[in-house]
Amino acid sequence: AQSVTQPDIHITVSEGASLELRCNYSYGATPYLFWYVQSPGQGLQLLLKYFSGDTLVQGIKGFEAEFKRSQSSFNLRKPSVHWSDAAEYFCAVGPPNTGNQFYFGTGTSLTVIP
Amino acid sequence: NAGVTQTPKFQVLKTGQSMTLQCAQDMNHEYMSWYRQDPGMGLRLIHYSVGAGITDQGEVPNGYNVSRSTTEDFPLRLLSAAPSQTSVYFCASGGGKFNYGYTFGSGTRLTVV
Repeated sequence: AQSVTQPDIHITVSEGASLELRCNYSYGATPYLFWYVQSPGQGLQLLLKYFSGDTLVQGIKGFEAEFKRSQSSFNLRKPSVHWSDAAEYFCAVGPPNTGNQFYFGTGTSLTVIP
Repeated sequence: NAGVTQTPKFQVLKTGQSMTLQCAQDMNHEYMSWYRQDPGMGLRLIHYSVGAGITDQGEVPNGYNVSRSTTEDFPLRLLSAAPSQTSVYFCASGGGKFNYGYTFGSGTRLTVV
């Protein structure tokens, strides 16, 4: 069965520090992989996506993610966190070549302290 | 370009009442979906559609109906509201068969008392 695991429910980092949010997935084949961000009271915004090719993908707002097939992981990173990055982050997987079903992780809440 | 528009933003229902959550997109996307978001559970797929006239069930379809008569609209109907349906509902749309990722609406916060 398809599933997405985000093992960290909540993470606190200092502004300017580096960030890594973990995501592991279980899927029958190599899925399409996504990271979304949700600010309080808002909908979800796509940060980045991986379909194929280079396993390090760049997204908006200075985020990047690395796909590691051997570990079934797609971790999100940012070298230097800004206070405005405080939000909820969701990893998602979807079937390749179709667009009809996504599976989301339970999210990681990020707090940024000055 | 409005993207994905959901109405209403907030709603309070009494148990047993019915209502329709509206969702419209102006991006000519083929794929549309409804998710519910509950604390600690992430987003769970309720129903989805791969084009006008075609719908299918997701993970948690019970108590909800959908239809897709046009490309633009994908309403979600609660048949007989229950407190367990208290949640935040998101509509999302995506374009093309290569799954470029969804655009989400801003959500509807529903409370069933």
